[in-house]
Amino acid sequence: KAGVTQTPRYLIKTRGQQVTLSCSPISGHRSVSWYQQTPGQGLQFLFEYFSETQRNKGNFPGRFSGRQFSNSRSEMNVSTLELGDSALYLCASSLIGGRETQYFGPGTRLLVL
Amino acid sequence: AQTVTQSQPEMSVQEAETVTLSCTYDTSESDYYLFWYKQPPSRQMILVIRQEAYKQQNATENRFSVNFQKAAKSFSLKISDSQLGDAAMYFCAYRSASHGSGNTGKLIFGQGTTLQVKP
Repeated sequence: KAGVTQTPRYLIKTRGQQVTLSCSPISGHRSVSWYQQTPGQGLQFLFEYFSETQRNKGNFPGRFSGRQFSNSRSEMNVSTLELGDSALYLCASSLIGGRETQYFGPGTRLLVL
Repeated sequence: AQTVTQSQPEMSVQEAETVTLSCTYDTSESDYYLFWYKQPPSRQMILVIRQEAYKQQNATENRFSVNFQKAAKSFSLKISDSQLGDAAMYFCAYRSASHGSGNTGKLIFGQGTTLQVKP
């Protein structure tokens, strides 16, 4: 099976712009989770989607949003970008988001100038 | 709230030797899962090993094994016969087994330990 894929791999934006990142889960996986990784804060959970519904959300401002499509692909959007949003954004998929293991994609590195 | 702590920011080991990475966690739950993930310079997060809290037996995966001490809330990773390809950042992670709405799809990570392997 193909692994989790994320596009784009690298992105440069300027403050105030918005950005959309995409994640395609492993075939058959219906749960997609998103994480932000920064040197200062480490890995932090953003949100989780299952069957096109957000089931769980981390402690991030409303500028961070996401959605999931019927084929389980997910997108996350960050509006009004700030310098502090520069990070590696990782998505992970699992079968149903329960007890099974999460498998990660390669990440999207976002740089905000 | 659950927390995960990795107290060793950096470790080094000689090739072919053994190294142990430490992880402690705090939780009031009795049913949960613990993981070690490896993140090489390519940044792809790779699962190393998984432990179910209800299992007494420590998980092993080839050269990787854990020492799970539930009462002490400790979960260390031992890498035997270290190889150059083991050089990476290692993250310890916690996952609740509860089906509550605040738990689905969420891993709680430690700050990571960078492992250097010397030839």
